[in-house]
Amino acid sequence: AQSVTQLGSHVSVSEGALVLLRCNYSSSVPPYLFWYVQYPNQGLQLLLKYTSAATLVKGINGFEAEFKKSETSFHLTKPSAHMSDAAEYFCAVTRYNQGGKLIFGQGTELSVKP
Amino acid sequence: NAGVTQTPKFQVLKTGQSMTLQCAQDMNHEYMSWYRQDPGMGLRLIHYSVGAGITDQGEVPNGYNVSRSTTEDFPLRLLSAAPSQTSVYFCASSGETYEQYFGPGTRLTVT
Repeated sequence: AQSVTQLGSHVSVSEGALVLLRCNYSSSVPPYLFWYVQYPNQGLQLLLKYTSAATLVKGINGFEAEFKKSETSFHLTKPSAHMSDAAEYFCAVTRYNQGGKLIFGQGTELSVKP
Repeated sequence: NAGVTQTPKFQVLKTGQSMTLQCAQDMNHEYMSWYRQDPGMGLRLIHYSVGAGITDQGEVPNGYNVSRSTTEDFPLRLLSAAPSQTSVYFCASSGETYEQYFGPGTRLTVT
């Protein structure tokens, strides 16, 4: 079975500081990995995805993530936090032939201090 | 192109009542899914569909039914509402690239 663990339910950074949100996955087959962002009282929006092409994936709003098979990780980073980045972030995993079946992590709430 | 739409946005039910949450997509996606979101638990998959006429259970299917008679629609039925079903419900759809597109959600309270 597949699973996702997000380390840290709350992360707080200062504006302009590096953002690092951690995600580790468990999968017995090559995974497809995603990061989603959720702003208050809204649905989820896709930030980026990994589907077995380049291991460094660039997404929207300056975010990127690196797939590291040896560490079973897919951490999300952004070099310089902006106030508008404050939101909840979810890592999710699926696999080939399981397109409707995303398994989500518990979420990490990002706060950005001025 | 409306994407994924859900109705209603808010609903209050009494214990034991039944209702249907509606979900529709206009992207011709083959996959559709229902999730519930509870604080500290992320999103948990209730039921999903890989095409018209084909559905399967997710992580937390008890108390919910689904059907998929068309590509566009994927309603979620609560048979006999319980307070444990108080949650925010999201519908999503995806195509062959597997990235899911989410609706705006339905906030359900069961008293």
